Amino acid sequence: KNEVEQSPQNLTAQEGEFITINCSYSVGISALHWLQQHPGGGIVSLFMLSSGKKKHGRLIATINIQEKHSSLHITASHPRDSAVYICAVFTHSGGGADGLTFGKGTHLIIQP
Amino acid sequence: DGGITQSPKYLFRKEGQNVTLSCEQNLNHDAMYWYRQDPGQGLRLIYYSQIVNDFQKGDIAEGYSVSREKKESFPLTVTSAQKNPTAFYLCASRSYGSVGEQYFGPGTRLTVT
Repeated sequence: KNEVEQSPQNLTAQEGEFITINCSYSVGISALHWLQQHPGGGIVSLFMLSSGKKKHGRLIATINIQEKHSSLHITASHPRDSAVYICAVFTHSGGGADGLTFGKGTHLIIQP
Repeated sequence: DGGITQSPKYLFRKEGQNVTLSCEQNLNHDAMYWYRQDPGQGLRLIYYSQIVNDFQKGDIAEGYSVSREKKESFPLTVTSAQKNPTAFYLCASRSYGSVGEQYFGPGTRLTVT
């Protein structure tokens, strides 16, 4: 079973700062997802990665398959970025439970 | 608009009562999932279904039951056998062939007293 570790668990920063959230996993994967969960509880998908780097607005996600590590970066952070960011990995198990394995999330607060 | 709906958003029940959480999707997705989220823990898979009239247990299926009579619907029943039912429950779906990309519903927060 894949183990997914995120760091830090909690992060408070000032508006405008560059933010980095890290994710490590223990078993080779088919894809990695970064998800955002707002206080209301709903989850939205930010990125799906299987290699390299993706950028969307102020968000950048990178993955290093050899090191089993991914990072989510937020440039010019804003209070509206405050949310829980969750890393999840997908593995073709060939049987057994289908679905994603989730990290515990990083609770990000951006102060004005 | 296509998406996943869960109802209600908040649900309160007395201990010993069964309760059913609704999940409907109009995305024409084949696979549907139920997850449970507790404070300080990652989402954990309760049940999943890859096709109508078929479903599989996830990591924490004890005390829960599901049905998949229609492609668009995947209700979850929290039975009185579930020892700690108070939690946030999320339903998700994905299209077959997509590499794990799941779409999530807004969730139902269940409180049992």
